Amino acid sequence: SQTIHQWPATLVQPVGSPLSLECTVEGTSNPNLYWYRQAAGRGLQLLFYSVGIGQISSEVPQNLSASRPQDRQFILSSKKLLLSDSGFYLCAWSIGVSNQPQHFGDGTRLSIL
Amino acid sequence: AQSVTQPDIHITVSEGASLELRCNYSYGATPYLFWYVQSPGQGLQLLLKYFSGDTLVQGIKGFEAEFKRSQSSFNLRKPSVHWSDAAEYFCAVVGSNDYKLSFGAGTTVTVRA
Repeated sequence: SQTIHQWPATLVQPVGSPLSLECTVEGTSNPNLYWYRQAAGRGLQLLFYSVGIGQISSEVPQNLSASRPQDRQFILSSKKLLLSDSGFYLCAWSIGVSNQPQHFGDGTRLSIL
Repeated sequence: AQSVTQPDIHITVSEGASLELRCNYSYGATPYLFWYVQSPGQGLQLLLKYFSGDTLVQGIKGFEAEFKRSQSSFNLRKPSVHWSDAAEYFCAVVGSNDYKLSFGAGTTVTVRA
């Protein structure tokens, strides 16, 4: 069966520090991969998605970036974190287009001080 | 582009009572629709999905949803709520040949004893 792993589960970082969140999927090949951010009390905002290695689509301009160095690995990064980057970050995967649901990881709670 | 509206931000229901969560979507063709549930500090879990066919779909945890094209709605129901159903619920839509889900803002369900 397929599984998705996100780490770390929680992270506290000072403003201006770098960021690297990792997401890996097991048990499937060539998944679509997604990064979402969920601010407190709000819905999900799609940040990036990828349909293949090295293919990244950005949905929202910001100081975050994403990379997909391997088929089942998706990394969210920043060179300098802002206070507004605080939130709950969720990684998800799916197969194919449209009619296949996305499956979510357990998320990373990021607090910027 | 597709969009989703969840009109109710917060619903309180007594344990054992019925629950209905509203979802209205906007999309020019037949959409693919999903309901997800999120417990505090967790990722999203898929409850059910609608692609085509029978407009009443059954999901996990005793939930069901009905697709009504004429009303552009996909409301979620449960006949008898358990305390463990307290969570946030998200409706989502994706268009055909698309990779990106559009989520509603979510409805928080509180269950009182």
